[in-house]
Amino acid sequence: NAGVTQTPKFQVLKTGQSMTLQCAQDMNHNSMYWYRQDPGMGLRLIYYSASEGTTDKGEVPNGYNVSRLNKREFSLRLESAAPSQTSVYFCASSESTGATEAFFGQGTRLTVV
Amino acid sequence: RKEVEQDPGPFNVPEGATVAFNCTYSNSASQSFFWYRQDCRKEPKLLMSVYSSGNEDGRFTAQLNRASQYISLLIRDSKLSDSATYLCVVTGNSGYALNFGKGTSLLVTP
Repeated sequence: NAGVTQTPKFQVLKTGQSMTLQCAQDMNHNSMYWYRQDPGMGLRLIYYSASEGTTDKGEVPNGYNVSRLNKREFSLRLESAAPSQTSVYFCASSESTGATEAFFGQGTRLTVV
Repeated sequence: RKEVEQDPGPFNVPEGATVAFNCTYSNSASQSFFWYRQDCRKEPKLLMSVYSSGNEDGRFTAQLNRASQYISLLIRDSKLSDSATYLCVVTGNSGYALNFGKGTSLLVTP
Protein backbone atom coordinates (compact mmCIF):
# COMPACT_ATOMS: atom_id res chain seq x y z
CA ASN A 1 0.00 0.00 0.00
CA ALA A 2 1.54 3.28 -1.13
CA GLY A 3 -0.34 5.62 1.24
CA VAL A 4 1.03 9.13 0.70
CA THR A 5 3.72 9.55 -1.94
CA GLN A 6 5.85 12.66 -2.25
CA THR A 7 8.27 13.58 -5.00
CA PRO A 8 11.07 14.44 -5.10
CA LYS A 9 12.72 13.13 -1.94
CA PHE A 10 15.67 15.53 -2.20
CA GLN A 11 16.13 18.81 -4.05
CA VAL A 12 18.70 21.57 -4.19
CA LEU A 13 17.59 24.90 -5.63
CA LYS A 14 19.33 28.16 -6.26
CA THR A 15 17.79 31.30 -4.81
CA GLY A 16 15.09 32.58 -7.12
CA GLN A 17 14.38 29.26 -8.82
CA SER A 18 10.93 27.78 -8.78
CA MET A 19 9.77 24.26 -8.25
CA THR A 20 6.70 22.18 -7.45
CA LEU A 21 6.54 19.46 -4.82
CA GLN A 22 4.13 16.71 -5.74
CA CYS A 23 1.96 14.71 -3.37
CA ALA A 24 -0.52 11.93 -4.05
CA GLN A 25 -2.56 9.72 -1.76
CA ASP A 26 -4.39 6.51 -2.57
CA MET A 27 -6.58 6.26 0.54
CA ASN A 28 -9.52 8.24 -0.86
CA HIS A 29 -8.99 10.88 1.81
CA ASN A 30 -10.82 14.18 1.62
CA SER A 31 -8.26 16.37 3.37
CA MET A 32 -4.65 17.02 2.51
CA TYR A 33 -1.95 19.17 4.11
CA TRP A 34 1.50 20.56 3.54
CA TYR A 35 3.81 21.03 6.55
CA ARG A 36 7.37 22.17 6.90
CA GLN A 37 9.65 20.99 9.69
CA ASP A 38 12.66 22.96 10.86
CA PRO A 39 15.01 22.20 13.74
CA GLY A 40 13.59 23.55 16.98
CA MET A 41 10.37 24.69 15.29
CA GLY A 42 8.36 21.52 15.01
CA LEU A 43 5.86 20.93 12.24
CA ARG A 44 4.17 24.04 10.90
CA LEU A 45 1.20 24.01 8.58
CA ILE A 46 1.74 25.81 5.27
CA TYR A 47 -1.54 25.14 3.43
CA TYR A 48 -4.31 22.64 3.64
CA SER A 49 -7.19 21.42 1.53
CA ALA A 50 -10.22 20.35 3.52
CA SER A 51 -11.81 18.79 0.46
CA GLU A 52 -11.37 18.67 -3.28
CA GLY A 53 -11.77 22.15 -4.73
CA THR A 54 -10.82 24.06 -1.58
CA THR A 55 -7.52 25.31 -0.23
CA ASP A 56 -6.72 27.49 2.76
CA LYS A 57 -3.72 29.08 4.36
CA GLY A 58 -2.09 27.64 7.41
CA GLU A 59 0.40 29.11 9.82
CA VAL A 60 3.22 29.91 7.37
CA PRO A 61 1.84 30.36 3.81
CA ASN A 62 4.05 33.21 2.57
CA GLY A 63 6.18 32.26 -0.41
CA TYR A 64 4.10 29.21 -1.32
CA ASN A 65 1.12 28.34 -3.48
CA VAL A 66 -0.86 25.12 -3.66
CA SER A 67 -3.13 23.32 -6.07
CA ARG A 68 -5.59 20.57 -5.24
CA LEU A 69 -5.49 19.00 -8.66
CA ASN A 70 -8.05 16.32 -7.83
CA LYS A 71 -8.98 14.27 -4.81
CA ARG A 72 -5.70 12.34 -4.92
CA GLU A 73 -3.18 15.08 -5.60
CA PHE A 74 -2.09 18.22 -3.75
CA SER A 75 0.96 20.11 -4.98
CA LEU A 76 3.06 22.81 -3.33
CA ARG A 77 4.81 25.43 -5.43
CA LEU A 78 7.70 27.69 -4.55
CA GLU A 79 7.64 30.51 -7.08
CA SER A 80 10.95 32.11 -6.12
CA ALA A 81 12.89 30.02 -3.65
CA ALA A 82 14.69 31.69 -0.75
CA PRO A 83 17.27 30.24 1.67
CA SER A 84 14.65 30.59 4.45
CA GLN A 85 12.65 27.91 2.65
CA THR A 86 15.34 25.33 3.28
CA SER A 87 13.42 22.73 5.23
CA VAL A 88 11.89 19.27 5.24
CA TYR A 89 8.45 19.33 3.67
CA PHE A 90 5.80 16.78 4.57
CA CYS A 91 2.55 16.14 2.80
CA ALA A 92 -0.22 14.48 4.79
CA SER A 93 -3.76 13.34 4.27
CA SER A 94 -6.69 12.43 6.47
CA GLU A 95 -10.23 11.26 6.00
CA SER A 96 -11.42 14.69 7.07
CA THR A 97 -10.02 17.70 8.87
CA GLY A 98 -9.77 17.74 12.61
CA ALA A 99 -10.57 14.60 14.41
CA THR A 100 -9.00 11.88 12.34
CA GLU A 101 -5.56 10.36 12.00
CA ALA A 102 -3.23 11.98 9.48
CA PHE A 103 -0.91 9.90 7.31
CA PHE A 104 2.34 11.44 6.19
CA GLY A 105 4.53 11.07 3.16
CA GLN A 106 8.22 10.39 3.57
CA GLY A 107 9.16 14.03 3.19
CA THR A 108 11.12 16.18 0.76
CA ARG A 109 14.43 17.59 1.91
CA LEU A 110 14.84 20.92 0.18
CA THR A 111 17.97 23.05 0.28
CA VAL A 112 17.99 26.53 -1.20
CA VAL A 113 21.46 27.94 -1.78
CA ARG B 1 2.09 31.63 22.96
CA LYS B 2 2.34 28.44 20.92
CA GLU B 3 -0.85 26.40 20.98
CA VAL B 4 0.88 23.20 22.02
CA GLU B 5 3.85 23.16 24.38
CA GLN B 6 6.15 20.26 25.15
CA ASP B 7 9.37 19.85 27.04
CA PRO B 8 11.91 19.15 24.27
CA GLY B 9 14.07 16.94 26.47
CA PRO B 10 16.10 14.96 25.71
CA PHE B 11 14.98 12.34 28.15
CA ASN B 12 17.73 9.75 28.59
CA VAL B 13 16.46 6.64 30.37
CA PRO B 14 17.78 3.10 30.83
CA GLU B 15 16.00 0.12 29.35
CA GLY B 16 13.13 -1.00 31.54
CA ALA B 17 12.50 2.43 33.00
CA THR B 18 9.17 4.21 33.10
CA VAL B 19 9.08 7.64 31.53
CA ALA B 20 6.33 10.23 31.28
CA PHE B 21 5.86 13.17 28.96
CA ASN B 22 3.47 16.04 29.41
CA CYS B 23 2.03 18.46 26.92
CA THR B 24 -0.07 21.57 27.49
CA TYR B 25 -2.42 23.22 25.03
CA SER B 26 -3.86 26.70 25.00
CA ASN B 27 -7.17 26.31 23.18
CA SER B 28 -9.83 25.20 25.62
CA ALA B 29 -12.12 24.38 22.68
CA SER B 30 -9.75 21.71 21.36
CA GLN B 31 -11.63 18.57 20.48
CA SER B 32 -9.16 15.83 19.66
CA PHE B 33 -5.79 14.83 20.97
CA PHE B 34 -3.09 12.51 19.71
CA TRP B 35 0.45 11.36 20.32
CA TYR B 36 2.57 10.85 17.21
CA ARG B 37 6.00 9.26 17.06
CA GLN B 38 8.76 10.44 14.72
CA ASP B 39 11.95 8.52 14.17
CA CYS B 40 15.08 10.33 13.05
CA ARG B 41 14.73 11.60 9.48
CA LYS B 42 11.38 9.85 9.06
CA GLU B 43 7.77 10.97 8.82
CA PRO B 44 5.53 11.25 11.90
CA LYS B 45 3.23 8.33 12.56
CA LEU B 46 0.26 8.04 14.87
CA LEU B 47 1.14 6.37 18.17
CA MET B 48 -2.23 6.68 19.83
CA SER B 49 -5.28 8.84 20.19
CA VAL B 50 -6.05 10.31 23.60
CA TYR B 51 -9.53 9.93 24.97
CA SER B 52 -11.18 11.77 27.83
CA SER B 53 -11.34 8.62 29.92
CA GLY B 54 -7.70 7.82 29.29
CA ASN B 55 -6.52 4.89 27.24
CA GLU B 56 -3.86 2.25 27.23
CA ASP B 57 -2.13 0.38 24.43
CA GLY B 58 0.30 -2.18 25.74
CA ARG B 59 3.12 -0.34 27.50
CA PHE B 60 1.73 3.06 26.55
CA THR B 61 -0.87 5.00 28.52
CA ALA B 62 -2.29 8.34 27.46
CA GLN B 63 -4.34 10.65 29.64
CA LEU B 64 -6.18 13.89 29.10
CA ASN B 65 -6.93 16.53 31.71
CA ARG B 66 -9.31 19.04 30.13
CA ALA B 67 -9.57 21.21 33.23
CA SER B 68 -5.82 21.81 33.30
CA GLN B 69 -5.44 21.51 29.53
CA TYR B 70 -2.71 18.96 29.47
CA ILE B 71 -2.08 15.56 27.96
CA SER B 72 0.32 12.95 29.18
CA LEU B 73 2.02 9.89 27.75
CA LEU B 74 3.45 7.20 30.00
CA ILE B 75 5.79 4.55 28.65
CA ARG B 76 6.45 1.58 30.89
CA ASP B 77 9.31 -0.93 30.55
CA SER B 78 11.12 1.22 27.99
CA LYS B 79 12.74 -0.55 25.06
CA LEU B 80 15.67 0.58 22.93
CA SER B 81 13.22 0.79 20.04
CA ASP B 82 11.20 3.43 21.88
CA SER B 83 13.96 5.95 21.17
CA ALA B 84 12.29 8.61 19.04
CA THR B 85 10.68 12.01 19.20
CA TYR B 86 7.14 12.07 20.58
CA LEU B 87 4.85 14.73 19.19
CA CYS B 88 1.78 15.99 20.99
CA VAL B 89 -0.99 16.91 18.55
CA VAL B 90 -4.14 18.86 19.31
CA THR B 91 -6.99 19.87 17.06
CA GLY B 92 -9.08 22.92 17.64
CA ASN B 93 -12.13 24.71 16.49
CA SER B 94 -10.45 26.22 13.47
CA GLY B 95 -11.57 23.32 11.34
CA TYR B 96 -8.25 22.15 10.02
CA ALA B 97 -5.85 22.38 12.82
CA LEU B 98 -3.60 19.49 13.50
CA ASN B 99 -1.42 21.57 15.78
CA PHE B 100 1.86 19.89 16.57
CA GLY B 101 4.05 20.46 19.56
CA LYS B 102 7.77 20.69 18.90
CA GLY B 103 8.25 17.18 20.24
CA THR B 104 10.00 15.51 23.13
CA SER B 105 13.12 13.51 22.40
CA LEU B 106 13.53 10.15 24.14
CA LEU B 107 16.71 8.11 24.17
CA VAL B 108 16.58 4.68 25.77
CA THR B 109 20.02 3.32 26.61
CA PRO B 110 21.17 -0.26 27.32
